[in-house]
Amino acid sequence: NAGVMQNPRHLVRRRGQEARLRCSPMKGHSHVYWYRQLPEEGLKFMVYLQKENIIDESGMPKERFSAEFPKEGPSILRIQQVVRGDSAAYFCASSEYGTGLGQPQHFGDGTRLSIL
Amino acid sequence: EDKVVQSPLSLVVHEGDTVTLNCSYEVTNFRSLLWYKQEKKAPTFLFMLTSSGIEKKSGRLSSILDKKELSSILNITATQTGDSAIYLCAVRTQGGSEKLVFGKGTKLTVNP
Repeated sequence: NAGVMQNPRHLVRRRGQEARLRCSPMKGHSHVYWYRQLPEEGLKFMVYLQKENIIDESGMPKERFSAEFPKEGPSILRIQQVVRGDSAAYFCASSEYGTGLGQPQHFGDGTRLSIL
Repeated sequence: EDKVVQSPLSLVVHEGDTVTLNCSYEVTNFRSLLWYKQEKKAPTFLFMLTSSGIEKKSGRLSSILDKKELSSILNITATQTGDSAIYLCAVRTQGGSEKLVFGKGTKLTVNP
């Protein structure tokens, strides 16, 4: 299965710790998106990246959250000094092309982050 | 602020029934509307609609976009228990970003 791979599937952290979520896009895809899903809420856009570039981070909280998509390796969503409100499912999606070519985004299974 | 509203929020039917799920949107610079099915894991892509009035069909599922009414419907005929899932509607806007704006979803339960 060459789908979008996210790990870990479940992550438990204590308040104040750091959380690192990884996403490997589908083969041949160079566009990555991160979304957050809170209970009873829809998916909320966080950030859109291409290789080595952040294209749109308008959905990212201003503090504690960062994302990268290096030339080699997976995309990483990093949350520093986690708080209880960070508990959510974090989904990554990828697409082959970006603006203008109407490609659908394909999603991974998500990482469920729980903060104790 | 861009907004996508789905209705109903939940729906319980019996196998064999036909269901219609609704999605309405208020966004600037609409480009396309997408439907996804989410079971316990990844949302899986169903349809992408860009033109009004053209039905997209896949097996028992079909969808159509109405740009005048700023809405879309997803129809499922002869429902099966395997259709039980949350159905997500999302809209993509034009501009520099590819972000999707999602509705909260419709939770469909199909009972045997």
